[in-house]
Amino acid sequence: GENVEQHPSTLSVQEGDSAVIKCTYSDSASNYFPWYKQELGKRPQLIIDIRSNVGEKKDQRIAVTLNKTAKHFSLHITETQPEDSAVYFCAASRNTGGFKTIFGAGTRLFVKA
Amino acid sequence: DTEVTQTPKHLVMGMTNKKSLKCEQHMGHRAMYWYKQKAKKPPELMFVYSYEKLSINESVPSRFSPECPNSSLLNLHLHALQPEDSALYLCASSQDRTGSNQGNYGYTFGSGTRLTVV
Repeated sequence: GENVEQHPSTLSVQEGDSAVIKCTYSDSASNYFPWYKQELGKRPQLIIDIRSNVGEKKDQRIAVTLNKTAKHFSLHITETQPEDSAVYFCAASRNTGGFKTIFGAGTRLFVKA
Repeated sequence: DTEVTQTPKHLVMGMTNKKSLKCEQHMGHRAMYWYKQKAKKPPELMFVYSYEKLSINESVPSRFSPECPNSSLLNLHLHALQPEDSALYLCASSQDRTGSNQGNYGYTFGSGTRLTVV
């Protein structure tokens, strides 16, 4: 069945360093790849997304890359800040009715001041 | 209004109780979802509604019964739950452009209902 693998499960960086989270997906029909940030005790929030017809997208300190051939996509956070500390989920979905989205297991990011 | 509102925020219920979770959005989204999230785990899909019709049921036990009375509301009726059903229940909504070349859209999640079954 559909599956999204996410690595690493935990990531600790110094403030100002970069953080990279990687995901792979199994369903070749997936065409939309959102990333969600969930702070402790709060709701997941969409932070960036990428569609299958694009290879890279950037929004200030956050960027996402997609390699459709390899079924890989990655989140890059530059100049990390303590407020970036959270759990990050990658996800993949296809264009079916209701848009079933499969989430990765999550990466707990710690940014040390 | 760019939010999804869920009530109640917390719920404690016994295994013989009947209760309902409620979700409301006024963003004009025509796809609505119920997810279950256990601690330190990703959200797990339960149900998807598209244009008020149930389009996906992820083999959820019948003790969970979804309902979509109109395009803004989504309910989850609970009956005879088990302690292992204790979790954070998240509602979400998104635009639905099925069949279009505009593709999918991200979710707006509600804050969730933290359910404890005793």
